[in-house]
Amino acid sequence: SSELTQDPAVSVALGQTVRITCQGDSLRIYYATWYQQKPGQAPLLVIYGKNNRPSGIPDRFSGSSSGNTASLTITGAQAEDEADYYCNSRGSSSNHLVFGGGTKLTVL
Amino acid sequence: EVQLVESGGGLVQAGGSLRLSCVASGFTSTYSMNWVRQAPGKGLEWVSYISTSSTIYYAEFAKGRFTISRDNAKNSLYLQMSSLRAEDTAVYYCARGGGQLDYYYMDVWGKGTTVTVSS
Repeated sequence: SSELTQDPAVSVALGQTVRITCQGDSLRIYYATWYQQKPGQAPLLVIYGKNNRPSGIPDRFSGSSSGNTASLTITGAQAEDEADYYCNSRGSSSNHLVFGGGTKLTVL
Repeated sequence: EVQLVESGGGLVQAGGSLRLSCVASGFTSTYSMNWVRQAPGKGLEWVSYISTSSTIYYAEFAKGRFTISRDNAKNSLYLQMSSLRAEDTAVYYCARGGGQLDYYYMDVWGKGTTVTVSS
């Protein structure tokens, strides 16, 4: 079983706000990193650190953290945001990395 | 252009071996590197990490069977896999790493190479 837990699926109406969560004990120590993956494509880094976006990632993507839960928020979801989202962090022993099981986001 | 290109995947029988390669372009060897895999229809799974000074970490399933290495002169990353099992069937991605003490990220990914282990 994964050390990071995500809801398998979430849906959001076009233009609305959605929060995707990730839970795990290691998140009390380390920030989560978030990746977007569309079918047939490699993962794409969207959020890292406290709330940092790589160049080219729209500012509707943001990250936050509280206790053992990290969140990825998409404010004003667009059709192109429909994808699988994975959280990732160092593991509880710090000498390994761990991914959450992924959340499939559907934009209605 | 910053780019990673994997190669070496293919069809192998259970118990066999395979060596994956990843060639980097557009950036120097001053980054940690990772292998991440994704089984068909499944999520991402971290496999192994190597630092610039060759500190190495493995996922539990990879310990004793997989060996990560790098050749900075060739801007290349490798994953030697042995005693392969059907459950190792996946797309294998190499990814460039970065971060600080309290976070780690993988900001450049290759397109992946497919490994199929037949039983």
